[in-house]
Amino acid sequence: GESVGLHLPTLSVQEGDNSIINCAYSNSASDYFIWYKQESGKGPQFIIDIRSNMDKRQGQRVTVLLNKTVKHLSLQIAATQPGDSAVYFCAEKNTEYGNKLVFGAGTILRVKS
Amino acid sequence: NAGVTQTPKFRILKIGQSMTLQCTQDMNHNYMYWYRQDPGMGLKLIYYSVGAGITDKGEVPNGYNVSRSTTEDFPLRLELAAPSQTSVYFCASSYYRTKARDTQYFGPGTRLTVL
Repeated sequence: GESVGLHLPTLSVQEGDNSIINCAYSNSASDYFIWYKQESGKGPQFIIDIRSNMDKRQGQRVTVLLNKTVKHLSLQIAATQPGDSAVYFCAEKNTEYGNKLVFGAGTILRVKS
Repeated sequence: NAGVTQTPKFRILKIGQSMTLQCTQDMNHNYMYWYRQDPGMGLKLIYYSVGAGITDKGEVPNGYNVSRSTTEDFPLRLELAAPSQTSVYFCASSYYRTKARDTQYFGPGTRLTVL
């Protein structure tokens, strides 16, 4: 069945370094991908998204890369800050078939000062 | 806009009790969703609604019911609470159009414990 998974459950980085969070997806028909950030005790917050007709999209300090050949998604955070500490989820969907998102299990990002 | 609001924030239930988790959005979104998140896990879709009067099951609907009488409100009902329903529940909404990029916006969550 469909699944979205993450390679690393926990990532620790030094403040100021760049962070890379990875995600593998199995449904080659998925055409839309989203990264969410979830801080402790809060709901998921949208960070950045990308459609399958792109391989890179940049936001403020964040970049999402999509490699459809190997069905891999990554989130890069530049100059990681303590406020970036959270759980990060990738999610996928096939826009032909409605609006259901399939979420991965999440990666914990810990930023050391 | 307040976005997506959920009440209550916390609740403890005894086995067999019932309760309704409330969810309201003020963004005029057509789609609304209920997810549950177990400790250390991702979100699993319980039910969703594509508009007032229309609901459909998600991945884990057993033990829950929903209704959507208005665009704004999407309550989730637990009829006979069981310990397996201990979780954090998130409501979300989005404005969906076919093949469009759209983002689901989440509420702050309701932490439910069933003892």
